[in-house]
Amino acid sequence: GPKVLQIPSHQIIDMGQMVTLNCDPVSNHLYFYWYKQILGQQMEFLVNFYNGKVMEKSKLFKDQFSVERPDGSYFTLKIQPTALEDSAVYFCASSSTGGALSYEQYFGPGTRLTVL
Amino acid sequence: GDSVTQTEGLVTLTKGLPVMLNCTYQTTYSPFLFWYVQHLNEAPKLLLKSSTDNKRTEHQGFYATLHKSSSSFHLQKSSVQLSDSALYFCALSRTGGYKVVFGSGTRLLVSP
Repeated sequence: GPKVLQIPSHQIIDMGQMVTLNCDPVSNHLYFYWYKQILGQQMEFLVNFYNGKVMEKSKLFKDQFSVERPDGSYFTLKIQPTALEDSAVYFCASSSTGGALSYEQYFGPGTRLTVL
Repeated sequence: GDSVTQTEGLVTLTKGLPVMLNCTYQTTYSPFLFWYVQHLNEAPKLLLKSSTDNKRTEHQGFYATLHKSSSSFHLQKSSVQLSDSALYFCALSRTGGYKVVFGSGTRLLVSP
């Protein structure tokens, strides 16, 4: 089936550094999302993105967070600067446009971010 | 805002027994409801989805029926297997391109 790829699978950085998480969405999808999950707990929505713009963001999407998809390449989540509470697994998802298919989001395997 | 409630944090069962995981939701919109399954260190995978009232949907032996009158979408299986041990999330979405709102998850542990 359709697959979302995420690079890297693990990232360890020092607090205050910048980190970029990369997502390669399903090829014909146009809606993109980031979710945050701490230690196998609830998945929490961060942001969604369509047509080059942020559509909605949650309270978890702090000012230090930004997203972009330059020239149709990776959909990225950048955190600058990082904080200890940013340690989590970040999941990227994508969905199609049009009708019932647009409801179904496909998730990547996640990037485990550890901030020291 | 939209919300999903899963009352059981952990369900432990012996192989071969039936299971029901509870899910209720709140929204002012006509929602799509989902069940996702997440195995350890893996991505959530879609198990079931529905937007049709009172229609049973099935996949891989699991089934659920969306009941808009009670705002429920409980997940059931008649005979659990060891491989069903995982974290199960109930979730809803309002419309295409909208965020998915997840419940807190129910961990299912199946023993021999």
